[in-house]
Amino acid sequence: DTAVSQTPKYLVTQMGNDKSIKCEQNLGHDTMYWYKQDSKKFLKIMFSYNNKELIINETVPNRFSPKSPDKAHLNLHINSLELGDSAVYFCASSQGRPNEQFFGPGTRLTVL
Amino acid sequence: AQTVTQSQPEMSVQEAETVTLSCTYDTSESDYYLFWYKQPPSRQMILVIRQEAYKQQNATENRFSVNFQKAAKSFSLKISDSQLGDAAMYFCAYRRYTGNQFYFGTGTSLTVIP
Repeated sequence: DTAVSQTPKYLVTQMGNDKSIKCEQNLGHDTMYWYKQDSKKFLKIMFSYNNKELIINETVPNRFSPKSPDKAHLNLHINSLELGDSAVYFCASSQGRPNEQFFGPGTRLTVL
Repeated sequence: AQTVTQSQPEMSVQEAETVTLSCTYDTSESDYYLFWYKQPPSRQMILVIRQEAYKQQNATENRFSVNFQKAAKSFSLKISDSQLGDAAMYFCAYRRYTGNQFYFGTGTSLTVIP
């Protein structure tokens, strides 16, 4: 009964490759998010979608492209991976106010 | 943009004792929401407690309670009877009343000493 799931949980890849991380939520939420957590544990918002529409697009390299095929899914595609992209990426969802965000288990991306 | 400050990068507490984690935030809004999240070594983010700014009463969840000082823009988390399982990274978060963006602090790493 996973509320927010991400695949894969671990991803090890070479510099220059393209990879995708998938996120699905079964909570019926309208809003989904992508966060990047660096080695110092700082959580940085990257994107947010509300009903498949992009509503938050923070300053991230355009190598990162989110895609929301429907409101239950928000995928993250990363082109030309760089060493600095190594981090844990979290997907989250929320619905209405004052509801909190529900987080996925995170995807640890390691770029070699 | 709102900023959330957690001035204690690391804290420690003896098992069964009480510890308070600090959080301050900067906002010009009168209505908003505040949260504390816990991130244990498993890295799963878990909601600990939530506070609506329009509520004067401090939120409480079992051993976890907050001290919400709206005028001072302070939102501290008190953990009573600390347990080994409380060891984790704790994040304070602010959510605007309108919109969907959450603002997170830099986290406080809590160690529980047996």
